[in-house]
Amino acid sequence: AQTVTQSQPEMSVQEAETVTLSCTYDTSENNYYLFWYKQPPSRQMILVIRQEAYKQQNATENRFSVNFQKAAKSFSLKISDSQLGDTAMYFCAFMKQGGADGLTFGKGTHLIIQP
Amino acid sequence: GAGVSQSPRYKVAKRGQDVALRCDPISGHVSLFWYQQALGQGPEFLTYFQNEAQLDKSGLPSDRFFAERPEGSVSTLKIQRTQQEDSAVYLCASSFFGGTQNIQYFGAGTRLSVL
Repeated sequence: AQTVTQSQPEMSVQEAETVTLSCTYDTSENNYYLFWYKQPPSRQMILVIRQEAYKQQNATENRFSVNFQKAAKSFSLKISDSQLGDTAMYFCAFMKQGGADGLTFGKGTHLIIQP
Repeated sequence: GAGVSQSPRYKVAKRGQDVALRCDPISGHVSLFWYQQALGQGPEFLTYFQNEAQLDKSGLPSDRFFAERPEGSVSTLKIQRTQQEDSAVYLCASSFFGGTQNIQYFGAGTRLSVL
């Protein structure tokens, strides 16, 4: 079974600052996918960024980037130039290749961007 | 529709009542997942469909929980004889099976409150 750990229940930064959310995971699989999802108060999970485990290059999506360390089983999310709209719960998630047994989520980090 | 649609958005049930939660996935998406999200926690996998076939129901917490997708499109999650511990947000997600993306798109969920 897989486990995902997010050790920061809550973080708060000023607008325009850079913030890093941490995530570690445990698995015996070699091929898998990792995701960061954002969940605003509306409850709808929104995909932020995705990483395939077989790719060494870290994924980047505009202001969002990851630091994927496969050997350390670490998958942190960096948000640059943070904006008020980034305020939300952020969930790290793991999925085995094939995906039939769904996503395994961490407990989440509540990110607050202060004006 | 453009996204995953879930109804109702909110449901209040008296303990012992049966409830039915509906999920309308993105058109053409073969895979459909149900998750349960308790307050302050990350979502937990309940069950997975590929078209009309329920391939994994290992996450269903008891035999009071039942899911179906008879025509391979709309899915219904039914909870019989609801208990207070069933209070949670129930999220549905769909994905295009077979693609390299393996991205799950989520609905806004149904918040179930059992009194």
